[in-house]
Amino acid sequence: EIVLTQSPGTLSLSPGERATLSCRASQSVRSSYLAWYQQKPGQAPRLLIHDASTRATGIPDRFSGSGSGTDFTLSISRLEPEDFAVYYCQHYHWPPVTFGGGTKVEIK
Amino acid sequence: QVQLVQSGAEVKNPGASVKVSCKASGYVFTTYQIHWVRQAPGQGLEWMGIINPSGGGTTYAENFQGRVTLTRDTSASTVYMELTSLRSEDSAVYFCARDWNDRSLDYWGQGTLVTVSS
Repeated sequence: EIVLTQSPGTLSLSPGERATLSCRASQSVRSSYLAWYQQKPGQAPRLLIHDASTRATGIPDRFSGSGSGTDFTLSISRLEPEDFAVYYCQHYHWPPVTFGGGTKVEIK
Repeated sequence: QVQLVQSGAEVKNPGASVKVSCKASGYVFTTYQIHWVRQAPGQGLEWMGIINPSGGGTTYAENFQGRVTLTRDTSASTVYMELTSLRSEDSAVYFCARDWNDRSLDYWGQGTLVTVSS
C-alpha cells in the first residue's frame, strides 16, 4: 500500500500570499493517479486537480499542481479568503485508494 | 447537473448495523463506479470500497473486509453502504463519491453522520 505524507500539517498565510503544499509518496506513483482535493468545514471534499497537474472543471487558474515520481506539489498563487481550508492529496490505484493526512491552510 | 444525495444522520448502539443510501441523478447511473469514504471527527479521509453499478461488482478496503457491504438498486439509481458490528470508532461522516475515469472522485454526496453510542 502506498502511503502519502503531506507537509506541512498547517500553513499560516495571509490573503494574497502564495501557498505551496507538499505530498510525498512512499514509492513512485504514476502521475495519472495523483489528485488533490479541498475540504471546508462541514462540507464534502471538492476535486481540484487530477492527473497531478490538470485542473478539474471550474477550478480557478490560481490552483496548480506539479510533480512526478514520489514528490508532488499543490500551489495556490494568490490566496483568496475562500481558499482557507484543508487540502488532501490522493493516490488512485485501488485497492486501496489512499489519502494523505491533509494540510490545513489557515489565515495568519 | 450531477448530484449524489445521501440519507440522513443515524444514531446506533454498539454492535448494531447501519445502512446509508446514496441516490445519483444527472447522469447515467450505470456508467460510473461509486466509492465510499469516511471521515472520523477531526480526522482525514479513509477509503472504504467501490461498487460498479452496472454489474454490482465490489472491492473493499482491507480494514473493512467482512464488515462492509456495498449494493445497488439500478431502478432507483441508488447505492447502499451497510456497515455491521458497529463500534464507537465507526462514528464518522460517511461520503459516497463518483469515480471519474479511474483517476479521481469528481462528485461527492453531502455526507451522512453516523454516531455509535450506547
